[in-house]
Amino acid sequence: EIVLTQSPATLSLSPGERATLSCRASQSVSSFLAWYQQKPGQAPRLLIYDASNRAKGIPARFSGSGSGTDFTLTISRLEPEDFAVYYCQQRAYWPPWAFGQGTRVEIK
Amino acid sequence: ELQLVESGGGLVQPGRSLRLSCEASGFRFDDYAMHWVRQVPGKGPEWVSGISWNSNRVGYVDSVNGRFTISRDDAKKSLYLQMNSLRPEDTALYYCVKDVGPLVGATTFGGLDIWGQGTMVTVSS
Repeated sequence: EIVLTQSPATLSLSPGERATLSCRASQSVSSFLAWYQQKPGQAPRLLIYDASNRAKGIPARFSGSGSGTDFTLTISRLEPEDFAVYYCQQRAYWPPWAFGQGTRVEIK
Repeated sequence: ELQLVESGGGLVQPGRSLRLSCEASGFRFDDYAMHWVRQVPGKGPEWVSGISWNSNRVGYVDSVNGRFTISRDDAKKSLYLQMNSLRPEDTALYYCVKDVGPLVGATTFGGLDIWGQGTMVTVSS
């Protein structure tokens, strides 16, 4: 079974700073990777699919990159509403379509 | 407005059964794969099960395989999860989720783009 390891567990940054989140797969998942944002009390929201494609309505400050085993979600300039938990999910191996354990982006 | 509304959660004793339902609106339900994803409060989400647009392919996480059954009724625009032999570790908030595309399986492009508000399942004596 594929294991997705996200790092760091917590990222402490200030509004306006750049956030770089990592997701590493235990085996190659090619570009079959998605990123989600989750705020307290809400369901996850799709940000990026197929490693680098922004979902509908997602601001351009969110970008995804990578392929194979190493992936990055970048938030170019953090807005107050971006402080949340972020998860990656692979779609290369089925079942299951496993999620990573998450990275919390908190206000410094 | 695209919407998914789950129902059927509740408190159930270990070993008993529960059936979750999800009613979709605002999109062509029969064009898309659908999923159940669960989440223990304070933990990350766990994909539980998925079904293709035409019900030809289904899949389950190992921990529920043989106990849970996913199904869909396109005429009713509804998704279901029959949960048997429930265990305390099945306690979680269960989300009904729409896929970007129609397919499930290995090497499938896309993501999970519409989520319901969730229905809580608590398994306890």
